Amino acid sequence: GESVGLHLPTLSVQEGDNSIINCAYSNSASDYFIWYKQESGKGPQFIIDIRSNMDKRQGQRVTVLLNKTVKHLSLQIAATQPGDSAVYFCAETYYNQGGKLIFGQGTELSVKP
Amino acid sequence: NAGVTQTPKFQVLKTGQSMTLQCAQDMNHEYMSWYRQDPGMGLRLIHYSVGAGITDQGEVPNGYNVSRSTTEDFPLRLLSAAPSQTSVYFCASSYSMRRGRRGYTFGSGTRLTVV
Repeated sequence: GESVGLHLPTLSVQEGDNSIINCAYSNSASDYFIWYKQESGKGPQFIIDIRSNMDKRQGQRVTVLLNKTVKHLSLQIAATQPGDSAVYFCAETYYNQGGKLIFGQGTELSVKP
Repeated sequence: NAGVTQTPKFQVLKTGQSMTLQCAQDMNHEYMSWYRQDPGMGLRLIHYSVGAGITDQGEVPNGYNVSRSTTEDFPLRLLSAAPSQTSVYFCASSYSMRRGRRGYTFGSGTRLTVV
C-alpha cells in the first residue's frame, strides 16, 4: 500500500556540519515530493519540493535528491545551524490524487553547538 | 494575508460531545486538508478537498465530517468525541497542481483533548 517512511527517527549533528535526512517511499506512482520542517508547537513549514522528472533540486543551504530506482528521497542541509533543530518530514503525492498528501514518520534533528 | 487561520487553538471536550474546528484561508487556494498529529508521530490525513463542493476521505476519516461550501473555509466536525481523538489538528491549503502547486501552507494547529 501507500507509505512514506524514514530510516532514522533521530539525528544529532555538530553545528557547522552537513546533515542528511533520508526517506523511503513505496508508491512508484508518486510524482511530487515535499520536505517540511516542524518546530515545537508549530505547524509544518515548507522547505523544498521536487518533481519526479528531476533528480536533484537545490535551495538555500538545502538540497533534495530523488532516486526513483530505489524509491529514496534525501534532504541535505549544509552548514547546519542551531536554528535547524526541528522535526523534518517528507511527504508524497501524485498528480491524479489532487490534494492527497501523505506524510512520513519524521526525523528529529538536533544540532549541538 | 493572514494565511491559514485555525480556531480555536485549544479545546477540551467531554466524551460524546460534538464540535467544529474552523479553518479559513485567504490565499484563494483550491486544495485544503485536515491532518491530525499524535505525539511523536507524523501527520495523518483525515479529509481533503480539491475545490468548493468536493471532499474526499484521507487515511483516518472515521469520526470526522467535512464540507466545503466556499473556497475559503473548510470546517472539520467531530460528531461524538472520543478520547482517541485527542490530538493536534492541522489545517492546510495549497494551489492546485495546474496552478503550480508548491506544497501546502499549514495553520498553527488546534490542540484538542477529549476527557
